Amino acid sequence: NAGVTQTPKFRVLKTGQSMTLLCAQDMNHEYMYWYRQDPGMGLRLIHYSVGEGTTAKGEVPDGYNVSRLKKQNFLLGLESAAPSQTSVYFCASSTGGWDQPQHFGDGTRLSIL
Amino acid sequence: GQNIDQPTEMTATEGAIVQINCTYQTSGFNGLFWYQQHAGEAPTFLSYNVLDGLEEKGRFSSFLSRSKGYSYLLLKELQMKDSASYLCAVKKNTDKLIFGTGTRLQVFP
Repeated sequence: NAGVTQTPKFRVLKTGQSMTLLCAQDMNHEYMYWYRQDPGMGLRLIHYSVGEGTTAKGEVPDGYNVSRLKKQNFLLGLESAAPSQTSVYFCASSTGGWDQPQHFGDGTRLSIL
Repeated sequence: GQNIDQPTEMTATEGAIVQINCTYQTSGFNGLFWYQQHAGEAPTFLSYNVLDGLEEKGRFSSFLSRSKGYSYLLLKELQMKDSASYLCAVKKNTDKLIFGTGTRLQVFP
């Protein structure tokens, strides 16, 4: 039972480069989320999706884009990476019910030089 | 606006009891979650409260007072493996959670 899988686990980029982080879940969850976690800031929501083909902005969406072409996958894109985007990125998924928790992937550690 | 406050760090001794507090002020409330996060790992779900009162799950209990905007996580019979960060998160609607900054708990022998 894989749960939520994030790819890659680590990445170093140069300023201005682009990349895509992949999140895949095998729990048939409708809802998927991308967070970033920075020291002293807690988890902050970047973008989320309430179903295949839908996306919505979270707290800190600037500089990121997302796509949910398939129910099981949620992609996070950085078009032109900046040092301020150095962070640990977590993907999560849930059924969306009121009392249902979000299940998190192991994270992607991204450094922008 | 929204604000979720937790202590930044706490320490405790193995075998003891520790209470981690969380206060919140949010526009909209549909429940409060507690997550555990070991260093370098993913957050994992511990508990959910939506009604006032205490929910008990083994060594862990969580309490909620909606009128006071207050919750706590109670950890009994502390073990070294309980050293982790504990995240309080408020559910505003079906879509989103708002997380506090987390409380780092260190358990000493």
